[in-house]
Amino acid sequence: DADVTQTPRNRITKTGKRIMLECSQTKGHDRMYWYRQDPGLGLRLIYYSFDVKDINKGEISDGYSVSRQAQAKFSLSLESAIPNQTALYFCATSDLLAGETQYFGPGTRLLVL
Amino acid sequence: SQELEQSPQSLIVQEGKNLTINCTSSKTLYGLYWYKQKYGEGLIFLMMLQKGGEEKSHEKITAKLDEKKQQSSLHITASQPSHAGIYLCGADFLNNNAGNMLTFGGGTRLMVKP
Repeated sequence: DADVTQTPRNRITKTGKRIMLECSQTKGHDRMYWYRQDPGLGLRLIYYSFDVKDINKGEISDGYSVSRQAQAKFSLSLESAIPNQTALYFCATSDLLAGETQYFGPGTRLLVL
Repeated sequence: SQELEQSPQSLIVQEGKNLTINCTSSKTLYGLYWYKQKYGEGLIFLMMLQKGGEEKSHEKITAKLDEKKQQSSLHITASQPSHAGIYLCGADFLNNNAGNMLTFGGGTRLMVKP
């Protein structure tokens, strides 16, 4: 089984709809991250969480919110989806004791019409 | 991110040829990570470099960190179709154990022709 899983893997939604992307990990890592990937722009950080009580905005947090329900779960919400949020979304985890390398999920492909 | 530039943006090579991808930083590097992504899929961690002059190899892939130039290179020897994908470098600029916020380059898209 994969260490970092994301659901759904693909999603099509309409402008104005609220959607949630979920991330779960079995690595036991404290730190979790949400990124989006757009062609030619690499990965950009949306939000990150160092533990269950810690949430921080990343480079491009506007239009997004997150919830760290447990150490193993970190969800990303688009309150009112807009077409320029169409992208590939990745969740990642890391742990200071494990050398801080980030381990990524398989990604969620989101299309906002 | 313009703080981290990758070159070339795309590359097509014949199977068996060697190739090099570069990642250049405009800021001090405390850690440099290389990932590979198959088209539309997740990222696979390749290796991490932390010290100037450090070089690491895994199978036919070698990465080096040139601290003076603030640059890292990824070299693939005798390329194979399985090497095709997008290679991303990620930089740790902070060095404060604050969670290793990585800044990523724009990626290099590699195609290997059989």
